[in-house]
Amino acid sequence: EIVLTQSPGTLSLSPGERATLSCRASQSVSSNYLTWYQQKPGQAPRLLIYSASSRATGIPDRFSGSGSGTDFTLTISRLEPEDFAVYYCQQYGSSPPMYTFGQGTKLELK
Amino acid sequence: QLQQSGPGLMKPSQTLSLTCAISGDSVSSNSATWNWIRQSPSRGLEWLGRTYYRSKWYNDYAVSVKSRMTINPDTSKNQFSLQLNSVTLEDTAVYYCARRPGNTPNAMDVWGQGTTVTVSS
Repeated sequence: EIVLTQSPGTLSLSPGERATLSCRASQSVSSNYLTWYQQKPGQAPRLLIYSASSRATGIPDRFSGSGSGTDFTLTISRLEPEDFAVYYCQQYGSSPPMYTFGQGTKLELK
Repeated sequence: QLQQSGPGLMKPSQTLSLTCAISGDSVSSNSATWNWIRQSPSRGLEWLGRTYYRSKWYNDYAVSVKSRMTINPDTSKNQFSLQLNSVTLEDTAVYYCARRPGNTPNAMDVWGQGTTVTVSS
C-alpha cells in the first residue's frame, strides 16, 4: 500500500502570500492518479486538482499542482481569505483497487 | 448531487446502513464509480469501497472492511447503499458518499453532505 506523507502539518501564512504544500509518496505514483482536495470545517472535501496538475471545474487559477513520481506539490499563488482550510492529497492504486489519502496540511491564518 | 441518509447513533455489534441518493447522474453510468469514504480523527480520510456498472455490476472494498462491508446499487431509486456489519467503537466517523466521474481520472468530484456515525454502548 502506498503511503502519502504531507508536509508541513500546519502552514501559517497571511492573505496575499504564496503557499506551497508537499505530498510525498512511499512509491512512485502515476501522475494521472494524484489528486488534491480542500476541506473546510463541517464540509465535505472539495476537488481542486486531478491528474497532478489539472484544475477541476470552477477552481481559480491561483491553485496549481505539479510533480511526478513520488513528489507532488500544490501551490496557491496569492492566498485569499477563503483559502484557509485543510488540504489533502490522494492517490489511486489499481492492484488491489484502492484510494489512499495523506494526513492533510492545515493552512492557517498567521 | 448526492444526498445521504441513515442513522447517526449505533451500538456495538449492530449493522450500519447508509444510503446515498443520486440526482443529475445515474448509478448505472458506464463511466462513473460510486464510492464510500469515512473520516475520523484517528484514521483520517479512509476509502471504504465502490460500486460501478460496466455491462455488469462490480464492487471493490478496502481490505480493512472487506469482510464486513457490502455496497449495493439500487437502480429503481437511483441510489447506492453501504452496509457495515458488527460495528465497533473504531467505526465512529463521518461517512461520505462520492462520485468519481469518467472524465477526472480517479478523482472524486461530487460528495454527499456527510453523516456523523457514533458507535457507543
